[in-house]
Amino acid sequence: GAVVSQHPSRVICKSGTSVKIECRSLDFQATTMFWYRQFPKQSLMLMATSNEGSKATYEQGVEKDKFLINHASLTLSTLTVTSAHPEDSSFYICSAAPSGTGELFFGEGSRLTVL
Amino acid sequence: GENVEQHPSTLSVQEGDSAVIKCTYSDSASNYFPWYKQELGKGPQLIIDIRSNVGEKKDQRIAVTLNKTAKHFSLHITETQPEDSAVYFCAASAGAGSYQLTFGKGTKLSVIP
Repeated sequence: GAVVSQHPSRVICKSGTSVKIECRSLDFQATTMFWYRQFPKQSLMLMATSNEGSKATYEQGVEKDKFLINHASLTLSTLTVTSAHPEDSSFYICSAAPSGTGELFFGEGSRLTVL
Repeated sequence: GENVEQHPSTLSVQEGDSAVIKCTYSDSASNYFPWYKQELGKGPQLIIDIRSNVGEKKDQRIAVTLNKTAKHFSLHITETQPEDSAVYFCAASAGAGSYQLTFGKGTKLSVIP
């Protein structure tokens, strides 16, 4: 299957700082990527759809000014958690789909801990 | 919007036995149904999927069945092994270029050696 890579896999930061998570499609181009958030023992919650060259589309209840998404190239989308607080601690996962396959592949996830 | 229900939430089986996880969906327009396996601390891994034009798909010990009339689909794992222990998620989407998946709440499968 296609490979989607996330970095970093784990990050610990202080409250009030910003953290950037990268999502790369390694062997295909992705005009669209998705960002999910997952709390312990829960399912994946779609946060936003990242579109290459245009603004991201956020799901209801997700603050676009807090979770900045940039999809500057066909292989890279970034999620920046701004002014992070302890309640932002979570597992963030991105996904992407090779064109025409209809199959969605996920990254390894990034565990954010805000102290 | 789409709503996906998944059962059971936890499942324990003896090694070598079969495991079945069931999901129902609400949107009749959904036509793509993937299953993901998620191990602790990792991202979900696509293990098998099925589209609405077929009723069953098999890949070695894993099979998925789809009943469009009843709007339910199931994952079947035969000859379970300890490494099958993980959380499994079903999902549904309108497919055909729509990659927005609606996920079930997950099933924690434990295979007891």
